[in-house]
Amino acid sequence: DVKVTQSSRYLVKRTGEKVFLECVQDMDHENMFWYRQDPGLGLRLIYFSYDVKMKEKGDIPEGYSVSREKKERFSLILESASTNQTSMYLCASSSSNNYGYTFGSGTRLTVV
Amino acid sequence: QKEVEQDPGPLSVPEGAIVSLNCTYSNSAFQYFMWYRQYSRKGPELLMYTYSSGNKEDGRFTAQVDKSSKYISLFIRDSQPSDSATYLCAMSAPAGGTSYGKLTFGQGTILTVHP
Repeated sequence: DVKVTQSSRYLVKRTGEKVFLECVQDMDHENMFWYRQDPGLGLRLIYFSYDVKMKEKGDIPEGYSVSREKKERFSLILESASTNQTSMYLCASSSSNNYGYTFGSGTRLTVV
Repeated sequence: QKEVEQDPGPLSVPEGAIVSLNCTYSNSAFQYFMWYRQYSRKGPELLMYTYSSGNKEDGRFTAQVDKSSKYISLFIRDSQPSDSATYLCAMSAPAGGTSYGKLTFGQGTILTVHP
């Protein structure tokens, strides 16, 4: 069964901490994405990557960075966590010839 | 104006009802249309995938795309309590340039089916 695995289901971090969210896919997909999902705002794209070491800003990149050193792994970094980054974070991947995404189960991050 | 508009609901129906979920969009370049289902505290899962205009049926689910009206629908027949979830429409232009096949999502409609 193909999978996108996010390292943590729930995280609680303090304001100002550096936070790493990890995502791994086993489908050899070229494209990987990070979204956040908030009530009333839907899914908002933070960053995406279409190849190893490549990254593109999404709609709300401020306060975030990403790393893709290997094809299967895409990391989201919160440089200095703030309370307004409390959210559900979803990782997804897709192949270059199929437009459907496979999502992970999400990481619910709370910044206190 | 958002590229994709979806009524967030919530929508509450009795078991056995026919459910209609809808999205409108403004980008005429969109060619690929999808519906995702998201259960509480889970990631979205792909439910239906359609290319260009027309209908697609899968069991109790039917997806319709009307590109001339920039309108897509998902119909659920004989709805069940297990269909209670958030349904998200999503669409994409063909990959090329800076598109990379990125999906644009609707806001999601919360559906509850009562026994």
